[in-house]
Amino acid sequence: NAGVTQTPKFQVLKTGQSMTLQCAQDMNHNSMYWYRQDPGMGLRLIYYSASEGTTDKGEVPNGYNVSRLNKREFSLRLESAAPSQTSVYFCASSVTGSSGYGYTFGSGTRLTVV
Amino acid sequence: KQEVTQIPAALSVPEGENLVLNCSFTDSAIYNLQWFRQDPGKGLTSLLLIQSSQREQTSGRLNASLDKSSGRSTLYIAASQPGDSATYLCAVIKAAGNKLTFGGGTRVLVKP
Repeated sequence: NAGVTQTPKFQVLKTGQSMTLQCAQDMNHNSMYWYRQDPGMGLRLIYYSASEGTTDKGEVPNGYNVSRLNKREFSLRLESAAPSQTSVYFCASSVTGSSGYGYTFGSGTRLTVV
Repeated sequence: KQEVTQIPAALSVPEGENLVLNCSFTDSAIYNLQWFRQDPGKGLTSLLLIQSSQREQTSGRLNASLDKSSGRSTLYIAASQPGDSATYLCAVIKAAGNKLTFGGGTRVLVKP
């Protein structure tokens, strides 16, 4: 089925370890996003990419880096994981410039940093 | 800065009752408003998208209205069922391709 695919679904890291969360969409969407969801804080934007080759910071970018590898793929990297980065991470995509299309979300990556 | 508020934070109703979920936003210059459903431990499923030029959207038992001037949207779910139990999130988009700003969600429990 067409949509947004995230890998892995679950991950446990030790403090200081690094990892990359992968995201791919097959809907030919221009824009892609990374959100984190925490209890009591809701969904907050980490980084986004309005088009291939561009990335911008969102509300909570500290401790993260992103790469828009091509139009389909947008990865999120934690260079040195901290317990505060324990969260559920969602990738999303949308079509830039079209008012008729909304956002499509992946199923999430549940990350625990110990 | 756009702020989105959803009240109530939680709602419990008996099966068959109609659900009314509220969403308010502070900046009326929005592009779209989207309603999502999230089941525990799962991702977000899009329910309805309302463009800024529209007043409402309908899909089956779901109807969402939008009043930009007052900064409000309402999601109506008719004849609720236990399977409607979930968290419902609204989100607004200021411009095409721009980020979503989410409300805190309303957690709904429909009792059989």
